[in-house]
Amino acid sequence: DVKVTQSSRYLVKRTGEKVFLECVQDMDHENMFWYRQDPGLGLRLIYFSYDVKMKEKGDIPEGYSVSREKKERFSLILESASTNQTSMYLCASSAVQGNYGYTFGSGTRLTVV
Amino acid sequence: DAKTTQPTSMDCAEGRAANLPCNHSTISGNEYVYWYRQIHSQGPQYIIHGLKNNETNEMASLIITEDRKSSTLILPHATLRDTAVYYCIVFKAGNNRKLIWGLGTSLAVNP
Repeated sequence: DVKVTQSSRYLVKRTGEKVFLECVQDMDHENMFWYRQDPGLGLRLIYFSYDVKMKEKGDIPEGYSVSREKKERFSLILESASTNQTSMYLCASSAVQGNYGYTFGSGTRLTVV
Repeated sequence: DAKTTQPTSMDCAEGRAANLPCNHSTISGNEYVYWYRQIHSQGPQYIIHGLKNNETNEMASLIITEDRKSSTLILPHATLRDTAVYYCIVFKAGNNRKLIWGLGTSLAVNP
């Protein structure tokens, strides 16, 4: 069963900490995405990667960075966590060829205190 | 990518068909219609997709109008486990960072 795996289901971090959210996919997909989801705001794109070591900013990249050193792994980094980054974080992947849509991970619910 | 419009919420009785509409009037010829659902606190799950023909799988049926400006997702016999938020999006393969996710339709299946 193909899947996207996010390393943590729940995380609690302190303000100012550096936070790493990891995402791994086993489908050999070229594209990987990080979204955050907040009530009433839907899914908002933070960063996107279309190849190893390639990245593009999404709609809300401020306060975040990403790393993609291997095709299967896409990491989201909160450089200095703040309370307004408390959210559900979703990782997804998709293939460039074919029309198979997105596959999502189960999400990481991050609370910054 | 085209934007979609869906009702905010819908109700359905358990065992009855749930028909969820979606408008995508600006869809272009090479964009597919996809449906996902998200059960509380989980990641969105793929349901079905289509280009212009009606599609059916083990989860649902997708009816796309001839002009492709709207579609309907049909859950033929809704169960309580189908209570979720349903997203309709339009999508084409490639580097699709501009994909727009709306707020979806919150479907409540009632006993």
